[in-house]
Amino acid sequence: GQNIDQPTEMTATEGAIVQINCTYQTSGFNGLFWYQQHAGEAPTFLSYNVLDGLEEKGRFSSFLSRSKGYSYLLLKELQMKDSASYLCAVTPMNTGFQKLVFGTGTRLLVSP
Amino acid sequence: DSGVTQTPKHLITATGQRVTLRCSPRSGDLSVYWYQQSLDQGLQFLIQYYNGEERAKGNILERFSAQQFPDLHSELNLSSLELGDSALYFCASSVTEMNTEAFFGQGTRLTVV
Repeated sequence: GQNIDQPTEMTATEGAIVQINCTYQTSGFNGLFWYQQHAGEAPTFLSYNVLDGLEEKGRFSSFLSRSKGYSYLLLKELQMKDSASYLCAVTPMNTGFQKLVFGTGTRLLVSP
Repeated sequence: DSGVTQTPKHLITATGQRVTLRCSPRSGDLSVYWYQQSLDQGLQFLIQYYNGEERAKGNILERFSAQQFPDLHSELNLSSLELGDSALYFCASSVTEMNTEAFFGQGTRLTVV
């Protein structure tokens, strides 16, 4: 089976840096996604990691360690609009590429 | 705007009823995925279609069914509705069935009373 763990909630202040961790245990692993979801809205794609290492996209970076079953999403220069839920999702190898398995998400609150 | 269109945006119905949710994928996308998101469960994969054929099934109840039509739009049918079926239902689409990047619609909020 699959198990994905993320902190339920985090708080940070505007302009700061925050790191949202995700650990996973799967019977096989293909890749790891991060999505952003504002309350009541659709998830939007942030990043996709297949290989170990850090991928940077503007203010957002995502890191993956396959051997440790660990990923993090790093948000720099936080803005109020970054207040949202951040969902970690994996594609387990034994189910093929078709099925994303999502964690329950981390609700990030950015305060002034 | 992701290019994925879902209708209706909101739906309120009574227990025991049947509803149909509709999804139009992005232009050129052949794969459609349905997800359910309830407050206590997070996003749960229901089912995937690719070019009209069912490709993968997740935790989809027998009371639920879906199909993808020749024009690639998809419908999710929910029957014998229960209070616990109240949730946000999202459709996502991608070009291939490899799902390396999928785009989500705005969702249909279903409330069963």
